[in-house]
Amino acid sequence: KNQVEQSPQSLIILEGKNCTLQCNYTVSPFSNLRWYKQDTGRGPVSLTIMTFSENTKSNGRYTATLDADTKQSSLHITASQLSDSASYICVVSAGGGATNKLIFGTGTLLAVQP
Amino acid sequence: DTEVTQTPKHLVMGMTNKKSLKCEQHMGHRAMYWYKQKAKKPPELMFVYSYEKLSINESVPSRFSPECPNSSLLNLHLHALQPEDSALYLCASSQWIGEKLFFGSGTQLSVL
Repeated sequence: KNQVEQSPQSLIILEGKNCTLQCNYTVSPFSNLRWYKQDTGRGPVSLTIMTFSENTKSNGRYTATLDADTKQSSLHITASQLSDSASYICVVSAGGGATNKLIFGTGTLLAVQP
Repeated sequence: DTEVTQTPKHLVMGMTNKKSLKCEQHMGHRAMYWYKQKAKKPPELMFVYSYEKLSINESVPSRFSPECPNSSLLNLHLHALQPEDSALYLCASSQWIGEKLFFGSGTQLSVL
């Protein structure tokens, strides 16, 4: 069964601190993995995409990693800001073409406090 | 233009009402989606349209009826909803099925 699990469920950190969110997946066949950020009351916005051959990708203060062997991904946020408070969702794409299916993770709710 | 526009932003309706949610994109995307999201849960797929044809229906009750009038528009017609249907309804589009999703801001629906 295709599954994407994220941890922790929720996280509170102080402004300026770093944090790492985890995503474990059992999806086959794997196509790619994306991290989305969802602000409260808004739609999710894509942060990064990781394909099978990529290990690390950065987007500003966000750095995503992918270990295709262990089927794990992480999202590292550096020097957190209050605006980073949001839900972070890991989405794995399974299959390809017309049969492609997106498997959503359970999300991590991040709160950055002053 | 990289926006997906949804209207209305908020909707309150009774169980006997008929209403419609609208979604529009002008990015030339050929796949459009409806998702339902409950508080503190990830979005759940409802419908996928590919090239204006219904491609996926995730066993959604018939009180939800999607419509894709053209490649830029996606509607969700609502009739005889239940209070448990109250949720954030998100529209999304992508260049093709499985590609990066662009989400609208959603319609927050309350069924009384």
